[in-house]
Amino acid sequence: AQRVTQPEKLLSVFKGAPVELKCNYSYSGSPELFWYVQYSRQRLQLLLRHISRESIKGFTADLNKGETSFHLKKPFAQEEDSAMYYCALSGQGAQKLVFGQGTRLTINP
Amino acid sequence: GAVVSQHPSRVICKSGTSVKIECRSLDFQATTMFWYRQFPKQSLMLMATSNEGSKATYEQGVEKDKFLINHASLTLSTLTVTSAHPEDSSFYICSAREGAFEAFFGQGTRLTVV
Repeated sequence: AQRVTQPEKLLSVFKGAPVELKCNYSYSGSPELFWYVQYSRQRLQLLLRHISRESIKGFTADLNKGETSFHLKKPFAQEEDSAMYYCALSGQGAQKLVFGQGTRLTINP
Repeated sequence: GAVVSQHPSRVICKSGTSVKIECRSLDFQATTMFWYRQFPKQSLMLMATSNEGSKATYEQGVEKDKFLINHASLTLSTLTVTSAHPEDSSFYICSAREGAFEAFFGQGTRLTVV
């Protein structure tokens, strides 16, 4: 079974501080991991996926198979980063996409 | 990026009636579509996965006779909530994916059953 756990429902940090949103997963095969973001009153959009190894808007995430984690990090938070962040997992190919519970990130000025 | 259009964005219906929600991929072929339900302040709960031309695969606990999913073409999937009841009131979101590429999301449909 696929399972994604985001232990923090809420996370609040000051502008300029580092941010880390935690994500752990459970999957017996080779997973594809994603981070999606939902800004206020907007639809979900892809932030990054592990296979592309990109840095988007200053965010990075590394897949750690040993710890079954895919934490999202940004060294210096900005106010516009305030949003709902979801970690998601898919099996290889076009299999179902399962989401974690989400973390609401608030960046304080 | 690619666009997924979901319609309607809001619908109010009477208890006992059926409601159809459409999800269209506007500029790509959606070989797979996902339907989610989102309760207030909660995450997206996957209801079913559908591949074009074949029957949808429902998640455990989701009634397939209650939530009818049709994915007859590569650009359109529909979710029909049959004999709706107030407890079916929720936010329904569709997502579409072409092969193993990223999934794109619709804007969601707020269903209220009165």
